[in-house]
Amino acid sequence: GENVEQHPSTLSVQEGDSAVIKCTYSDSASNYFPWYKQELGKRPQLIIDIRSNVGEKKDQRIAVTLNKTAKHFSLHITETQPEDSAVYFCAASENSGYSTLTFGKGTMLLVSP
Amino acid sequence: GAVVSQHPSRVICKSGTSVKIECRSLDFQATTMFWYRQFPKQSLMLMATSNEGSKATYEQGVEKDKFLINHASLTLSTLTVTSAHPEDSSFYICSAQETRAFFGQGTRLTVV
Repeated sequence: GENVEQHPSTLSVQEGDSAVIKCTYSDSASNYFPWYKQELGKRPQLIIDIRSNVGEKKDQRIAVTLNKTAKHFSLHITETQPEDSAVYFCAASENSGYSTLTFGKGTMLLVSP
Repeated sequence: GAVVSQHPSRVICKSGTSVKIECRSLDFQATTMFWYRQFPKQSLMLMATSNEGSKATYEQGVEKDKFLINHASLTLSTLTVTSAHPEDSSFYICSAQETRAFFGQGTRLTVV
């Protein structure tokens, strides 16, 4: 089955800095890679996703890059703000519609004012 | 995005009793829903895949007789924790997928 590794497990940055979280996956059949943000005690919220036919996607301060050859994808957050502080999860699946998502272990991001 | 509603958000029950958690997709039909368990400071662990009109598929190590799943309609899946024990205390989250996965708000179960 799929295995998703996520690094780092914790990340502390100063407000305004950039943050990068990296994930690798093992199953070459995976073609959908979402990123979720989870605040304490709340549900994971989809913040951005990318499919295998695209190498990069950007939405305001958030971007995701995908390297299918190397089987890794990354989340980039620019101009971080304290409200970006949360746990971020990457995931992978074969089909965004109905396939099981395999999650990374999460990265706790702390943005200090 | 699509809305998935999960109830209750918090529940405290006594050891030996059963607890039912509901997961509803409010604005789309979901033939498949997923149930996860999340321990503090850990990732989401898939427990089972709920399939409308058929039996759920359980992940290895998850007791199907303890965690009963019913997916009777295209918008509702339920998870019943039977004969709950303190070690079942956890955060349970469901998700439904319509091109993308959307999560319920989670249920904090405390068994005393």
